[in-house]
Amino acid sequence: NAGVTQTPKFQVLKTGQSMTLQCAQDMNHNSMYWYRQDPGMGLRLIYYSASEGTTDKGEVPNGYNVSRLNKREFSLRLESAAPSQTSVYFCASSVPGHTNQPQHFGDGTRLSIL
Amino acid sequence: QQPVQSPQAVILREGEDAVINCSSSKALYSVHWYRQKHGEAPVFLMILLKGGEQKGHEKISASFNEKKQQSSLYLTASQLSYSGTYFCGTVYYNNNDMRFGAGTRLTVKP
Repeated sequence: NAGVTQTPKFQVLKTGQSMTLQCAQDMNHNSMYWYRQDPGMGLRLIYYSASEGTTDKGEVPNGYNVSRLNKREFSLRLESAAPSQTSVYFCASSVPGHTNQPQHFGDGTRLSIL
Repeated sequence: QQPVQSPQAVILREGEDAVINCSSSKALYSVHWYRQKHGEAPVFLMILLKGGEQKGHEKISASFNEKKQQSSLYLTASQLSYSGTYFCGTVYYNNNDMRFGAGTRLTVKP
């Protein structure tokens, strides 16, 4: 019972490099989300996809792009990494109606940008 | 727009009770509660919708006061397994995303 799977678990990048974080869920959920978590800041929404084929900006979208590849997969891309993007990134999924449905989180990707 | 959680941290002995508060400056549609253990993913606890309802999960319950724009999480007879950081997530009317508080770190000692 995998749930939400994120790859990689750890990554170190140099400033200016690009990278794609992968997320896949096997719960047949329509909605998927990308968050970043910084110390003392809680979780902040970067982008979300309410359903296959749609994506919307969240609270902190600058510097990121997303692709909803199919119903299962939602990727997050950093085109030109900056030290300010050092964070733990979580992917989550839910049935439609995220305002009153629980979100299921992956184990996170720990990203360091030097 | 981020909700404010209090306290920031609390230390308990096994069997003691604790209350964690989540306050918003805007009218709330719903409040979510999650628990995160160190190095792990957040885990869903419960959702409260408008109406002041109270919900429970194990010996953990919560209330939602729509008028006061706040929610409280009650942990009774705490167990060692309750240790972790608790986050509230707030959803506002006419908004499509959820905003999380900074978290409350709960430590339960034997």
